[in-house]
Amino acid sequence: KQEVTQIPAALSVPEGENLVLNCSFTDSAIYNLQWFRQDPGKGLTSLLLIQSSQREQTSGRLNASLDKSSGRSTLYIAASQPGDSATYLCAAVNYGGSQGNLIFGKGTKLSVKP
Amino acid sequence: DAGITQSPRHKVTETGTPVTLRCHQTENHRYMYWYRQDPGHGLRLIHYSYGVKDTDKGEVSDGYSVSRSKTEDFLLTLESATSSQTSVYFCASRGEWDGYTFGSGTRLTVV
Repeated sequence: KQEVTQIPAALSVPEGENLVLNCSFTDSAIYNLQWFRQDPGKGLTSLLLIQSSQREQTSGRLNASLDKSSGRSTLYIAASQPGDSATYLCAAVNYGGSQGNLIFGKGTKLSVKP
Repeated sequence: DAGITQSPRHKVTETGTPVTLRCHQTENHRYMYWYRQDPGHGLRLIHYSYGVKDTDKGEVSDGYSVSRSKTEDFLLTLESATSSQTSVYFCASRGEWDGYTFGSGTRLTVV
């Protein structure tokens, strides 16, 4: 059974820092991996989707990498801003088609201080 | 502008009453999902659908049923609401090769 772990559970940094959020998964037979952002009381916003054949994806100041052999993904945020404060969720999909259900980590709560 | 909408956004109901939550998507996505989010447990899959009238159970399906009569609509029913079903419920959809898109959630309180 796939298990997804995110460490740390919470992180506080000063504005302007570059930071890395970590995600690990137990089953390396991964179909894809998706990073989400969740603001308090809100829904989930998709940030990046990495297919199993890809090693990384980039969007603006965000870069996500995938290393299936080690069971790890990282989300890199460059030049952090107070508006980046949110909970970041990593989720793995093991199969395509009808069996392709997301398995979530419990998230990293990021606080960026001005 | 949202491709996926949930209704209602908030609901308070009494123990023992049936409750139906609605999810509507305009993306023509084949797959749709219901998750619940609880402190300490994160997001857990309740039920999912892989086509009209095709549904299956997820990790925490007891006490819930679903129906999908049209591609765009996926209903979640709590047959007899209990306090343990107080939660935030999220609907999601995806296409064959897409990532997931989530709705804004329904906050349900069972008193």
